[in-house]
Formats: sequence, C-alpha cells, structure tokens
Amino acid sequence: DAKTTQPTSMDCAEGRAANLPCNHSTISGNEYVYWYRQIHSQGPQYIIHGLKNNETNEMASLIITEDRKSSTLILPHATLRDTAVYYCIVEGSSNTGKLIFGQGTTLQVKP
Amino acid sequence: GAGVSQSPSNKVTEKGKDVELRCDPISGHTALYWYRQSLGQGLEFLIYFQGNSAPDKSGLPSDRFSAERTGGSVSTLTIQRTQQEDSAVYLCASSPDGSEADTQYFGPGTRLTVL
Repeated sequence: DAKTTQPTSMDCAEGRAANLPCNHSTISGNEYVYWYRQIHSQGPQYIIHGLKNNETNEMASLIITEDRKSSTLILPHATLRDTAVYYCIVEGSSNTGKLIFGQGTTLQVKP
Repeated sequence: GAGVSQSPSNKVTEKGKDVELRCDPISGHTALYWYRQSLGQGLEFLIYFQGNSAPDKSGLPSDRFSAERTGGSVSTLTIQRTQQEDSAVYLCASSPDGSEADTQYFGPGTRLTVL
C-alpha cells in the first residue's frame, strides 16, 4: 500500500502557483519523498525528490515540514502543459528504489 | 540522448496466447523496472533488475508472468496464456544504479489488450 495521502483533484489558474500537498505521517528516517507526474497517455516523469531539506530545480520546489510528516510540491507558474496526475511517493526502505504509486492528485490547469 | 524505449507500442492478442514485451533502457543504467497500469488504476510494481543480482520478482501477479534481462541491457516481459485482466499499459523504467535516491526514467509503455 502507498504510504502517502493526496487530494484526489485540484484546479489551478494558468500562470498561478500550484501547491500540491502530500501527507506521509509514517515516513521513516531514511526514506525519501519523491514526486512524479504522468501526463495523459505518457509514462511517468520525475519531478523532484528530497530527504529533509527543501529542494528546488528547474521544474518545481519541494517543501518538507520539519517533522517530515508532510510535504508540498510547488509549480511556481503553472501552464496548461502541467495538467497531469501528480504522484507523491515515499521510498527508501526497500533498498531497491522500486516505487509504490498511490492514486495521485489530478491537477487541472485552467486558462 | 535516447530515453527508454518500449516495443510494441500497442499489442492486441487473444485470450490464451503468449505475449512478449520489450524494453530498451537508457545506455549505462544498471537498474531496470517493470510496472503496469490498468484502466483507471495507479501504477503497480512488477519486477526489478539490478546488475547481476537476482531480480526482485515480488510484484509479479502470477506465475504466468516472467521477465528476463539479457546482458544487463534489454529486458523482455513475457505473459503466458494471457487473460482479459492482463489488459493494461506495461511501463518500463531504468535508473543509473537502483539506489533509493535514484531517478527513474520511464518509457512510453506498451498498451496490451487481451480480447
């Protein structure tokens, strides 16, 4: 079973920041938080990951709470092409890197 | 550079037939994963290969499913005596070394339809 809970769906206006929350209250100390997204009819795409510190790359920012029980993915200026299912995944305990996907959040970016 | 490629992109077969799905990982990646995504469902882990180690087959749903990886590169997922519930998109991913902090790169998938 997935170790994360996410809202089923969210809307965001084009050009605004999209903030996608994720709860992972049972995360253990050596587990990472990953975010992937899946645009319709494509394979999943890696976005970002982190352990304890906040992370930023060219696609997004990841804010992890101090107790690590939740995190937020931020797309700073959402575009229509960001419409996708966003998956928050906690992994690291298996030492294999295999990902356990939940149902994710369907983000709809609207003009 | 070239990403993960999969073939065929679409496969329609009759119930009871065997099918083979192919995955070409990114060159140099030692870890390779197979997942499947049934209609309206999330992605389900099937099997994991890492270098010369024994594969992690813990996600395979039945003994009709098998996979091999030859020469540490190309992988083939075989489904014997296909059933209608096997209909899904089968996704392959590779990563540089399979560690828990590694990024996985996914292929476009093979859409399997069992009639």
